[in-house]
Amino acid sequence: GAVVSQHPSRVICKSGTSVKIECRSLDFQATTMFWYRQFPKQSLMLMATSNEGSKATYEQGVEKDKFLINHASLTLSTLTVTSAHPEDSSFYICSAGGGAGQPQHFGDGTRLSIL
Amino acid sequence: AQSVTQPDIHITVSEGASLELRCNYSYGATPYLFWYVQSPGQGLQLLLKYFSGDTLVQGIKGFEAEFKRSQSSFNLRKPSVHWSDAAEYFCAVGGRGSQGNLIFGKGTKLSVKP
Repeated sequence: GAVVSQHPSRVICKSGTSVKIECRSLDFQATTMFWYRQFPKQSLMLMATSNEGSKATYEQGVEKDKFLINHASLTLSTLTVTSAHPEDSSFYICSAGGGAGQPQHFGDGTRLSIL
Repeated sequence: AQSVTQPDIHITVSEGASLELRCNYSYGATPYLFWYVQSPGQGLQLLLKYFSGDTLVQGIKGFEAEFKRSQSSFNLRKPSVHWSDAAEYFCAVGGRGSQGNLIFGKGTKLSVKP
């Protein structure tokens, strides 16, 4: 089945650092990828929709200058958390979907801890 | 407003017992419906999906779900639970537009007693 690879799986870094998370679709082309954030014992909240070759679409309340998304190819989207602070600590999950109504395939997530 | 409700935050069942996880949705039209499972510290794995046709859908690991339009529900069932089924379960709805982004319920944590 479709596989989405997310890297790194865990990051621990100091406040003020920028952190880049990669999301790759390994066996299919993904014109659209999604970035979610999951707080402890909470559901997934959509942060933004990453569109290949164009700007990402951010959900209300998500700072686009804080969470930079780049989708430069059909198999790779990156999320950069700029100048991360402890409140940015969370579990970030990406997914890639084949189009309207098709199930999304999720990466294994990235646990980000900002000290 | 579009939303997904999973009324049960935490359910505990005995191994071998049957299971039903509830999911209700609010959506302007007939949505696509999904159930995902998440093990601790992991991403989400698709269990099953409903797009159209037969309202009883079969998924992986012995799970099934039934779409009931009149009740706006998509409950997940399994006749006999195994200890390895302990995880968090998320119901999600997706629109029939081109974006395909999903709206998730808050999840139901399943614990399995020996």
